[in-house]
Amino acid sequence: ETGVTQSPTHLIKTRGQQVTLRCSSQSGHNTVSWYQQALGQGPQFIFQYYREEENGRGNFPPRFSGLQFPNYSSELNVNALELDDSALYLCASSWGTAYGYTFGSGTRLTVV
Amino acid sequence: SQELEQSPQSLIVQEGKNLTINCTSSKTLYGLYWYKQKYGEGLIFLMMLQKGGEEKSHEKITAKLDEKKQQSSLHITASQPSHAGIYLCGADSNFGNEKLTFGTGTRLTIIP
Repeated sequence: ETGVTQSPTHLIKTRGQQVTLRCSSQSGHNTVSWYQQALGQGPQFIFQYYREEENGRGNFPPRFSGLQFPNYSSELNVNALELDDSALYLCASSWGTAYGYTFGSGTRLTVV
Repeated sequence: SQELEQSPQSLIVQEGKNLTINCTSSKTLYGLYWYKQKYGEGLIFLMMLQKGGEEKSHEKITAKLDEKKQQSSLHITASQPSHAGIYLCGADSNFGNEKLTFGTGTRLTIIP
């Protein structure tokens, strides 16, 4: 059991729509990161939150946004969905520096 | 930006045989993580290496970090069907920031 729960597991959206993906981290994990994994590729870093503040961002446009809440849950929001946004979205949380991440099982997003 | 190259991209090994997967970085490695992923699922943490020359083992899996070569290797001894999956290496661009760059993965198939 990973201790990091993501919902929903699968989602189909239409191009141009907006989507919210959710992640529930392990208690005490004050750092959460989101990754996008396209088919056959390694995960790509989207952004990281530390104590509810954004703490770094990868090469993703502003239509990708996030929130982290005091109860160790977080959200990834994507506006104006594009076909290329179809991917597995992974949430990962940790205690902090050098402890390694615990990953959730991911949300498979399909944009049609 | 840091890039990680994994080799081989795919590997088919007979059960019981040994195998090695390599991960080479384009920049200095501050922290190197190995994860395993079943198709379409989340990442399972295997090991984290931080110091040059460091070597860690867990069950039949051994990972080493060669800081000078900016390279890490993952070695599996006496492979089993349970070892099948995708192996991903991930690296910190700066120590402890945990914004990981991942390789594209090595797909391991174990045949009877």
